[in-house]
Amino acid sequence: EVQLVESGGGLVQPGRSLKLSCLASGFTFSNYGMNWIRQAPGKGLEWVASISSSSSYIYYADTVKGRFTISRDNAKNTLYLQMTSLRSEDTALYYCALNYGSSFDYWGQGVMVTVSS
Amino acid sequence: DVVLTQSPATLSVTPGERISLSCRASESVDTYLHWYQQKPNESPRLLIKYASQSISGIPSRFSGSGSGTDFTLSINGVELEDLSIYYCQQGNSLPTFGAGTKLELK
Repeated sequence: EVQLVESGGGLVQPGRSLKLSCLASGFTFSNYGMNWIRQAPGKGLEWVASISSSSSYIYYADTVKGRFTISRDNAKNTLYLQMTSLRSEDTALYYCALNYGSSFDYWGQGVMVTVSS
Repeated sequence: DVVLTQSPATLSVTPGERISLSCRASESVDTYLHWYQQKPNESPRLLIKYASQSISGIPSRFSGSGSGTDFTLSINGVELEDLSIYYCQQGNSLPTFGAGTKLELK
């Protein structure tokens, strides 16, 4: 059974940093692309970043480019999102998701990030 | 960025009826269009991939159609458990999602 478990969220002041983790199990992590997708309270889904299986290809949404860094450690079956220069508009539930091709086939339960002073 | 427009924003339904939800892309996405269901306080779940491909474990009353810029998610015989928000997502370029269609009880 595929499991994706996010952690690392919390309350952070504007301008500060936070690092999210997503621990994967139930599949061969190193074979699949991974993604971060977020959902602001009461709002829709917004893709944030993607990383290919070997980290060769990395993409970001314009809203986070230059501030967020996606990475992975295939030996630890873990996906990361380093978030810097956080803004109030980054407040959201952050999901990690596995992609098969261009669809997001499995999602974690999400981790909340709140940016507020 | 490809903009996905979903309609209607809200749909009031009666159990048992057949319904269709629309997703229109601002440019062709071929069949790189996927549908998700999100129930309250749950993570999204993939329903249909590549416009019309069914997903293991998803009830057969859900089906998808379309290509290019116009896509439809159909539910043949809505059940109470289907009251959720439905999102489309394109994967022909950097991923984008539609704003969602909320199914509510009439």
